[in-house]
Amino acid sequence: DARVTQTPRHKVTEMGQEVTMRCQPILGHNTVFWYRQTMMQGLELLAYFRNRAPLDDSGMPKDRFSAEMPDATLATLKIQPSEPRDSAVYFCASGSGYRGDEQYFGPGTRLTVT
Amino acid sequence: SQQGEEDPQALSIQEGENATMNCSYKTSINNLQWYRQNSGRGLVHLILIRSNEREKHSGRLRVTLDTSKKSSSLLITASRAADTASYFCATANFGNEKLTFGTGTRLTIIP
Repeated sequence: DARVTQTPRHKVTEMGQEVTMRCQPILGHNTVFWYRQTMMQGLELLAYFRNRAPLDDSGMPKDRFSAEMPDATLATLKIQPSEPRDSAVYFCASGSGYRGDEQYFGPGTRLTVT
Repeated sequence: SQQGEEDPQALSIQEGENATMNCSYKTSINNLQWYRQNSGRGLVHLILIRSNEREKHSGRLRVTLDTSKKSSSLLITASRAADTASYFCATANFGNEKLTFGTGTRLTIIP
């Protein structure tokens, strides 16, 4: 049963600390998306990759967020330094690459920055 | 503003009744999709309807799309307690893989 996995599932950290979230997309999927979900803003697209190349990171605060795909089985989202306003659930999703086709979401990383 | 706006924001119905949720969007689309999110979980894809389709069925789900009105509806028939979740519409524009999600409808099924 292929699924997207994310680690960690929960993270509590202090303001100023670095946070790294990891995602393993479904094998064979060549698009990977990072979303952030909060009560106030809903689901926001932060960045996405096609064939490991970043295509759009316009939704991401550039000064503190970075997203990479070091290989086809791993995507990372890093926040440095973290701030309380970064508290949210971060989702990774992958897709088969057909434009606009369905996306498969991971379980999310719930981040709390104190 | 959100590309997709769901209506209503929240809906409570008795088990066995039908639930209808609506989604409006602003720009031309390639397709529209509906997702379900159970509390504390990731989103799960339910159904995709393409811009040249008007209606689609999947089990107890029925989706309609009216591109002239830029709107879609999701009907869940014979609701069950397990249908309690938030439901999101998402639109895909031509030429890229991005989806733009709406704000969601929180559906509660009362046993």
